[in-house]
Amino acid sequence: AQKITQTQPGMFVQEKEAVTLDCTYDTSDPSYGLFWYKQPSSGEMIFLIYQGSYDQQNATEGRYSLNFQKARKSANLVISASQLGDSAMYFCAMREVSPTDSWGKLQFGAGTQVVVTP
Amino acid sequence: DGGITQSPKYLFRKEGQNVTLSCEQNLNHDAMYWYRQDPGQGLRLIYYSQIVNDFQKGDIAEGYSVSREKKESFPLTVTSAQKNPTAFYLCASSVPGQRNTEAFFGQGTRLTVV
Repeated sequence: AQKITQTQPGMFVQEKEAVTLDCTYDTSDPSYGLFWYKQPSSGEMIFLIYQGSYDQQNATEGRYSLNFQKARKSANLVISASQLGDSAMYFCAMREVSPTDSWGKLQFGAGTQVVVTP
Repeated sequence: DGGITQSPKYLFRKEGQNVTLSCEQNLNHDAMYWYRQDPGQGLRLIYYSQIVNDFQKGDIAEGYSVSREKKESFPLTVTSAQKNPTAFYLCASSVPGQRNTEAFFGQGTRLTVV
């Protein structure tokens, strides 16, 4: 079963605007971590932001913030003041740590392609 | 500088050949992973390893093999049994068992069957 769902295959956003990328996840474990990665056309995976299942506050890192709604099992990424260099594929990922997976595989969604236009 | 090195960056394989993709890390991480990425798609887990001499199959292990003889090295062999090996392959490492540690990735190897 799909653990991470990203329903937006692609998005266009104008420079300097904010964009929200959706991510929903499925887990029955109380302890998990959520990650967002950026993959430019060069192929490297760049870590952006992390949110823990027990964290009380939404994570922020510069222009990136995470809208974490635990009851809805969603972890949407918000990029503020978009720049041309933000054009890339964005992946949501989850790591569960539980008795059945004690060391925590990282599982990825299908990704959202973001294109920032001038 | 600490990091993960994958080689080669581009690899061409004739049908019926086995090829090995290299992955080396100097981050002192116990866990290492191999992912496959097809165009416009997400990452799918091939194999992963928590410690030396131990590894587990991921979601799409058929046609692939790995070894973990040293902590810093986790090579992936794409065998002739893999029916559609053309893809982008990413190696990653992390600290195992901690939900708040991200995985670090190599630059990837783009494999093409000719």
